Amino acid sequence: GNSVTQMEGPVTLSEEAFLTINCTYTATGYPSLFWYVQYPGEGLQLLLKATKADDKGSNKGFEATYRKETTSFHLEKGSVQVSDSAVYFCAITGGGADGLTFGKGTHLIIQP
Amino acid sequence: AAGVIQSPRHLIKEKRETATLKCYPIPRHDTVYWYQQGPGQDPQFLISFYEKMQSDKGSIPDRFSAQQFSDYHSELNMSSLELGDSALYFCASSMGRRTANTGELFFGEGSRLTVL
Repeated sequence: GNSVTQMEGPVTLSEEAFLTINCTYTATGYPSLFWYVQYPGEGLQLLLKATKADDKGSNKGFEATYRKETTSFHLEKGSVQVSDSAVYFCAITGGGADGLTFGKGTHLIIQP
Repeated sequence: AAGVIQSPRHLIKEKRETATLKCYPIPRHDTVYWYQQGPGQDPQFLISFYEKMQSDKGSIPDRFSAQQFSDYHSELNMSSLELGDSALYFCASSMGRRTANTGELFFGEGSRLTVL
């Protein structure tokens, strides 16, 4: 079945630092790829997505590129803010099923 | 803007008891998804409904059942609760089924079930 592996946290950075959160996947077929963010006490929110190879998803300064050759979808941001502190989940479509397959989440902590 | 509403937000039950979680999707959304997130775990897809019919089934235990009603709200019924059922249960909604392919799932804030 499909699976997602993302770097374990917590990841602690200083404000304005460069962020990379790695995500790799295994899947049958051609999945769509997503990053979801979960702020404290809230539900999951779609951050960005990519539906085909070499697509770049971007939102709120975050970017991720669909790399089919390396089965990766790493999340990057050039300059993080304290308000970016949250848990980030990489996810892929479930190989024909309605549901999404999520990674275990990476807790990001940004210090002023 | 209206979001996905889940109730209750917190629930404490004893082993072998039953529990019911409710989900009210965003207005005009016809598809509902249920996910279970254990402590420190990723969300696991349980089941989904489209137009009041079961659409897809994931890792939902036989002790659990769910349905979607005529007003599109959904209920997740859990019986013979076990300690391992303690988790955060998320509901998500979308307009049209298989929109998981576009990522357009809107999640509620979750219902936290604790089984003692």
